[in-house]
Amino acid sequence: GQSLEQPSEVTAVEGAIVQINCTYQTSGFYGLSWYQQHDGGAPTFLSYNALDGLEETGRFSSFLSRSDSYGYLLLQELQMKDSASYFCAAGRPGGYQKVTFGTGTKLQVIP
Amino acid sequence: DVKVTQSSRYLVKRTGEKVFLECVQDMDHENMFWYRQDPGLGLRLIYFSYDVKMKEKGDIPEGYSVSREKKERFSLILESASTNQTSMYLCASRESGTQNYEQYFGPGTRLTVT
Repeated sequence: GQSLEQPSEVTAVEGAIVQINCTYQTSGFYGLSWYQQHDGGAPTFLSYNALDGLEETGRFSSFLSRSDSYGYLLLQELQMKDSASYFCAAGRPGGYQKVTFGTGTKLQVIP
Repeated sequence: DVKVTQSSRYLVKRTGEKVFLECVQDMDHENMFWYRQDPGLGLRLIYFSYDVKMKEKGDIPEGYSVSREKKERFSLILESASTNQTSMYLCASRESGTQNYEQYFGPGTRLTVT
């Protein structure tokens, strides 16, 4: 089967750096995506890693290690508006780009 | 700007009713998806469609069916609603051929079955 594990909650201070981890077990693996979802809102795409290493997009970076079946999302210079849930998602084979989502990490940024 | 819309934000139905959830995207995307989101379980794929009239089961299709008669519209049908189908339902679309698996989501429909 497929599963992606994330911490359920993380709290961090405004201006700090926080890392949200994701470990996965999937039968076949194409890459790891990250989505942000504010309370009551729709998930929005943040990043995608197909290859090992770090991808940077502004204050957000995402990392993948295929050998360790592990990735993380790094948020720098945290702002209050970053308080949201963050989901990792694994692209997997099975026809037409099926994606399995993790259970989500609720990030609370405090002053 | 990319847009996925869903017919209702909130819906309350009775057990045994037939329920239709509608989703429309304006991006000419080939792929459309229906997920349900429950606390602690993340997003789980119910069905997806890769072309008009084409569909495939996702991970939890039991109790659901779908219809895609036009490219821009993907409907989720609960033939006989049950209380365990109370959930947030999210529709998404995705362009074929992109490498990053980016999906565009609608705002969601919170369905309560009583």
